[in-house]
Amino acid sequence: DAGVTQSPTHLIKTRGQQVTLRCSPKSGHDTVSWYQQALGQGPQFIFQYYEEEERQRGNFPDRFSGHQFPNYSSELNVNALLLGDSALYLCASSSEPDTQYFGPGTRLTVL
Amino acid sequence: GESVGLHLPTLSVQEGDNSIINCAYSNSASDYFIWYKQESGKGPQFIIDIRSNMDKRQGQRVTVLLNKTVKHLSLQIAATQPGDSAVYFCAENKGDEKLTFGTGTRLTIIP
Repeated sequence: DAGVTQSPTHLIKTRGQQVTLRCSPKSGHDTVSWYQQALGQGPQFIFQYYEEEERQRGNFPDRFSGHQFPNYSSELNVNALLLGDSALYLCASSSEPDTQYFGPGTRLTVL
Repeated sequence: GESVGLHLPTLSVQEGDNSIINCAYSNSASDYFIWYKQESGKGPQFIIDIRSNMDKRQGQRVTVLLNKTVKHLSLQIAATQPGDSAVYFCAENKGDEKLTFGTGTRLTIIP
């Protein structure tokens, strides 16, 4: 049984560019949450998707958007990248209201 | 305000000894707490959870204690091993499926 998978593993972009990160949830999970983890910090909640709708949102600007597909996989899009967007982006899946299980993350570097 | 924080940012323990990692929370409405282990370059790994109607929960070599009176929880790891070296996060769920993380405690095992 595959766990949560994310792609790509690493990504380098320049300021102003746009990026799309992808997540496939653990088998049987229908809820996907995205977190941003800056170096030396705990993960910060970005938003959560359930039934293809954004259900919860953290304190992140509209440059951060997402999508959930019918097969429960999800994408995180970030527009107009800033240097401060450099972080580890984590996807977590759950079968509500159960525990969230995290993927390995995507390391985004903005130059 | 709402917060989940840790008393100690680093902890060094002799191999074979027991480790205790502490966490304080401020939101009395929180009803679910989770401990995660994060190794370098990886996503957070679920260790153990506890609901607010419990005081103690045990897993394999780990025990979580919850003291609602002082809003404090701890993770005890018995007979620590080199593989236990990681950053440990407590996370708080207030019933809205959004996890709030603290900054983490780095546990180092001394051979």
